[in-house]
Amino acid sequence: GEDVEQSLFLSVREGDSSVINCTYTDSSSTYLYWYKQEPGAGLQLLTYIFSNMDMKQDQRLTVLLNKKDKHLSLRIADTQTGDSAIYFCAETNTGGFKTIFGAGTRLFVKA
Amino acid sequence: ETGVTQSPTHLIKTRGQQVTLRCSSQSGHNTVSWYQQALGQGPQFIFQYYREEENGRGNFPPRFSGLQFPNYSSELNVNALELDDSALYLCASSRQGADYEQYFGPGTRLTVT
Repeated sequence: GEDVEQSLFLSVREGDSSVINCTYTDSSSTYLYWYKQEPGAGLQLLTYIFSNMDMKQDQRLTVLLNKKDKHLSLRIADTQTGDSAIYFCAETNTGGFKTIFGAGTRLFVKA
Repeated sequence: ETGVTQSPTHLIKTRGQQVTLRCSSQSGHNTVSWYQQALGQGPQFIFQYYREEENGRGNFPPRFSGLQFPNYSSELNVNALELDDSALYLCASSRQGADYEQYFGPGTRLTVT
C-alpha cells in the first residue's frame, strides 16, 4: 500500500543546514511535496517536485529526489529560528485526488 | 487574493452528536479536499469534491459526508461522533488541472467528549 515515512525529530544550530529525509512506497507517485506546519496553524506548501525531476532549488530550499530508492530530501540552508516547525513529506499518485502524508519531522533550531 | 478560510476555529461536541465544518476555497479554486489530522500525526485524506461531486474518498466511514456548493465553498459533516473523531480538520483547495498545488486553511479543532 501507499506509505510515507520520515524521521520524527531533527535538531540543528542556527546558521547550519538542515536535511530532512523521507521515503515513500508508491512507485506511481507523480508529485512529491514538502509542507510546513507551525503550532496551531494549517499546512503551508513549501515546495513540490515532479517525479521526472531530480532536484529543485527555491531560495534556501533544495529538494532532492532519488526515484530509484524512493527517497526525497529537503535541505534548508542557513537555518533560522523561524524555521522551527513540523515538516511533512507528501506524495500524490497519478489520478491526483489523494495526497498521502508522512507523520512529520519536528525541526528544532537552537540559537 | 483571499486564502482558504475555515469555520469555526474550535468546537467541542459530545459523543453521538453531529457536526458541520465549513470551508471557503481560495479565489479561483474549484476543487476542495478535506483531511483529518490527529494529534502528532500527518493529515489523512477524507475526500475531495469537484463540481459539487465527490471525486475520491479515503478510508473513512459513510458517517463522514460532504457537500460542495456552486461558489466552491464546502462543508464536512460528521454524524454519530466518536471520541476518536477528535482532531484538527483541514480543508485544502486547488484548481482542477493544477491539483498538485493545494493550499490549506488553518483548520478546525474538534474535541469530542
